[in-house]
Amino acid sequence: AQTVTQSQPEMSVQEAETVTLSCTYDTSENNYYLFWYKQPPSRQMILVIRQEAYKQQNATENRFSVNFQKAAKSFSLKISDSQLGDTAMYFCAFLSMKTSYDKVIFGPGTSLSVIP
Amino acid sequence: DAGITQSPRYKITETGRQVTLMCHQTWSHSYMFWYRQDLGHGLRLIYYSAAADITDKGEVPDGYVVSRSKTENFPLTLESATRSQTSVYFCASSAFGEQFFGPGTRLTVL
Repeated sequence: AQTVTQSQPEMSVQEAETVTLSCTYDTSENNYYLFWYKQPPSRQMILVIRQEAYKQQNATENRFSVNFQKAAKSFSLKISDSQLGDTAMYFCAFLSMKTSYDKVIFGPGTSLSVIP
Repeated sequence: DAGITQSPRYKITETGRQVTLMCHQTWSHSYMFWYRQDLGHGLRLIYYSAAADITDKGEVPDGYVVSRSKTENFPLTLESATRSQTSVYFCASSAFGEQFFGPGTRLTVL
């Protein structure tokens, strides 16, 4: 069974600085998706970024980028120029392309605080 | 309103009562999910559905019942609420792997 691990329960970063959130996963499959979701204090879950495992190029969305290391099964999220609105829980998630139900496996989350 | 909605947003009930949480999506997504979120456990899948009239158990289904007579609706029922079911409940639908979440329902069982 696949698992997703986020080893940093809590992190903090100064405003305008860069922070990296770690995620590792365990799978024997070759084709899958990886996601980072953000949950601000409002509770609304929002997709931040996605990565297809067959793509070697790391995904980027504005200030958010990932470092995808397929062999190491690592999928870290880098937030550049951190803003107060980045304060949130961040969940790493895995989706097998073999599943027919779009069942995503979520990690336990990392609580990020951006300090003014 | 377009998107995925949940009602009620907040609910307080008593042990032993039946409670139904509603979920409605306007995209006609085939897949829908119910999660509960508790401190220290992240998101745990309760039930999911691949289409109308097709549902299956997730990681923590005990004490919950779902139905899906229409594609757009996926209600979750707690047949006899217990204190351990105090949680925040999220409904989601998905397309091409991306999950779209509702705003959540905070349920307190006294």
